[in-house]
Amino acid sequence: SQQGEEDPQALSIQEGENATMNCSYKTSINNLQWYRQNSGRGLVHLILIRSNEREKHSGRLRVTLDTSKKSSSLLITASRAADTASYFCATALSGGYQKVTFGTGTKLQVIP
Amino acid sequence: KAGVTQTPRYLIKTRGQQVTLSCSPISGHRSVSWYQQTPGQGLQFLFEYFSETQRNKGNFPGRFSGRQFSNSRSEMNVSTLELGDSALYLCASAGLAGGQPAPDTQYFGPGTRLTVL
Repeated sequence: SQQGEEDPQALSIQEGENATMNCSYKTSINNLQWYRQNSGRGLVHLILIRSNEREKHSGRLRVTLDTSKKSSSLLITASRAADTASYFCATALSGGYQKVTFGTGTKLQVIP
Repeated sequence: KAGVTQTPRYLIKTRGQQVTLSCSPISGHRSVSWYQQTPGQGLQFLFEYFSETQRNKGNFPGRFSGRQFSNSRSEMNVSTLELGDSALYLCASAGLAGGQPAPDTQYFGPGTRLTVL
């Protein structure tokens, strides 16, 4: 079963707009990561946020983490057509060796 | 440094056959994880190896097995293939980060697309 659920499942925006994706998870985590996948290829790691962090930035990406609500959001600012991809959140569980579990993904389409 | 490589990239098999997929991690990484991705089930964790030992295992039948060699390269094997095993199989490697006893960021290979006819 999936640990994380992304919302929305699909998102279509115009180039230049911001895109926000949300991820909810079920159990305590050690860290949460966001990945991008282009059309059936391998996943590309975007950003990692640890359970003791609340916000993190990387270029046009901003990730927030609310452990009390067990949720995270990924904001992509000033989107580009090249951002068109599926985005997944992945959680690593607390304690011991980490087992990373992926969410269901959000399909983002950026229209030029 | 070179990324994660997976071979073969594409594979077509028939039901009942077995298949072996290979993954070479990033140099220096000792953790290798395998995932199955299908349209219906999404990304499902298969297993993770670290220093030739299986540390974590997902909820897959015993037909799915793996191993890791002393050079950290890993193979996964699926025996008695079923139509439902058609999927993109992704391998990811990770290395120690921040002094933690377990790896954080995973770096993925391009995947092996397996089609079972």
